[in-house]
Amino acid sequence: ETGVTQTPRHLVMGMTNKKSLKCEQHLGHNAMYWYKQSAKKPLELMFVYNFKEQTENNSVPSRFSPECPNSSHLFLHLHTLQPEDSALYLCASSQEGTGYNEQFFGPGTRLTVL
Amino acid sequence: GENVEQHPSTLSVQEGDSAVIKCTYSDSASNYFPWYKQELGKRPQLIIDIRSNVGEKKDQRIAVTLNKTAKHFSLHITETQPEDSAVYFCAAMGYRNSGYALNFGKGTSLLVTP
Repeated sequence: ETGVTQTPRHLVMGMTNKKSLKCEQHLGHNAMYWYKQSAKKPLELMFVYNFKEQTENNSVPSRFSPECPNSSHLFLHLHTLQPEDSALYLCASSQEGTGYNEQFFGPGTRLTVL
Repeated sequence: GENVEQHPSTLSVQEGDSAVIKCTYSDSASNYFPWYKQELGKRPQLIIDIRSNVGEKKDQRIAVTLNKTAKHFSLHITETQPEDSAVYFCAAMGYRNSGYALNFGKGTSLLVTP
């Protein structure tokens, strides 16, 4: 698959579990993003990485921990989540520098916290 | 920071009619305004965008208008078809912290009935 890929596509976890979401972009972009999409608050920006450096942490609880080892990979580490964290987690990438940057989204990970 | 308001939240039209979705933004420095379409169970995909140096852009049945003075922009879909049914998100690109990021509206659920 080309573009932006995410794994797993579906995840069910208990509140005491630790899991990680993975995102990979094959577009040569230098910026990557995590969004949370739920029925109540569509497309909430969580984290932004430019050139592997985190530039945005949108008041996200510490039970979500991002990691960006290189410009092509982005992880979201999850631990002691709450049921209200159940949502679709979308990764996106773009080419930063001009401000006219189309963001390409991955297919998302549907997370259910029991 | 940037705040994007989108209206209406739901819109139902008959096939062949036009649909208009409106957005306002708060940051006068925002200079790029994309529109994304998200079909049920799929990722958001860019359908059209406009930059701050133009007032209107068309692509077949889709058009976007921008009024920088009033800080609002609109999506126009003519001759709607059932496959236009989806959630549409507007966004405004602004400079945040040390990088650019998109601020999304809350989405409009469009239903086109045959």
